[in-house]
Amino acid sequence: QQQVKQSPQSLIVQKGGISIINCAYENTAFDYFPWYQQFPGKGPALLIAIRPDVSEKKEGRFTISFNKSAKQFSLHIMDSQPGDSATYFCAATRAGNTPLVFGKGTRLSVIA
Amino acid sequence: NAGVTQTPKFRVLKTGQSMTLLCAQDMNHEYMYWYRQDPGMGLRLIHYSVGEGTTAKGEVPDGYNVSRLKKQNFLLGLESAAPSQTSVYFCASKVHLNTEAFFGQGTRLTVV
Repeated sequence: QQQVKQSPQSLIVQKGGISIINCAYENTAFDYFPWYQQFPGKGPALLIAIRPDVSEKKEGRFTISFNKSAKQFSLHIMDSQPGDSATYFCAATRAGNTPLVFGKGTRLSVIA
Repeated sequence: NAGVTQTPKFRVLKTGQSMTLLCAQDMNHEYMYWYRQDPGMGLRLIHYSVGEGTTAKGEVPDGYNVSRLKKQNFLLGLESAAPSQTSVYFCASKVHLNTEAFFGQGTRLTVV
């Protein structure tokens, strides 16, 4: 059973456009939702994270929107740049000795 | 500050051979994880450790063993490699639950 479902699998966006990646989760006990960014040949790195007590978190051009009732959260990249081209993973975890559960990833390509 | 270091970075094994992947972190983190990354499958947890001397199974533990004899090191062993274990392996660590996980650069393993 896939605990975190991520879509789309791949995404092509024009430079300056908005990139949107969606995730849905099953376990209502999850209480920490990070997004990781991975460039080719590198390990994933934390981009931004949110807890369910807020509905939105913004850091620069990156925003997480969180809908607790729908059990969904999304990453919005404003003014997308070619340097944002990477694979993005959503993840979730809960209090206790529970490791992160990752979505399957979205390969984003930003074209000029 | 090296962070999380994985050794080796690349390896080719013949079916049936054994090997050990080493993960070392210099951040005094309690929690350490081994993930495998396959195309279209995202990051899947193999084994993890919540402290020195402890290990636990993740989502895909079969064919792998781990040891955490020292807090800073987490070893992943393949006793008899199979082609299905061809993958990119990532180690990660973090200090507390619901905090940033730091990833290594990955080990690309090919089993022929």
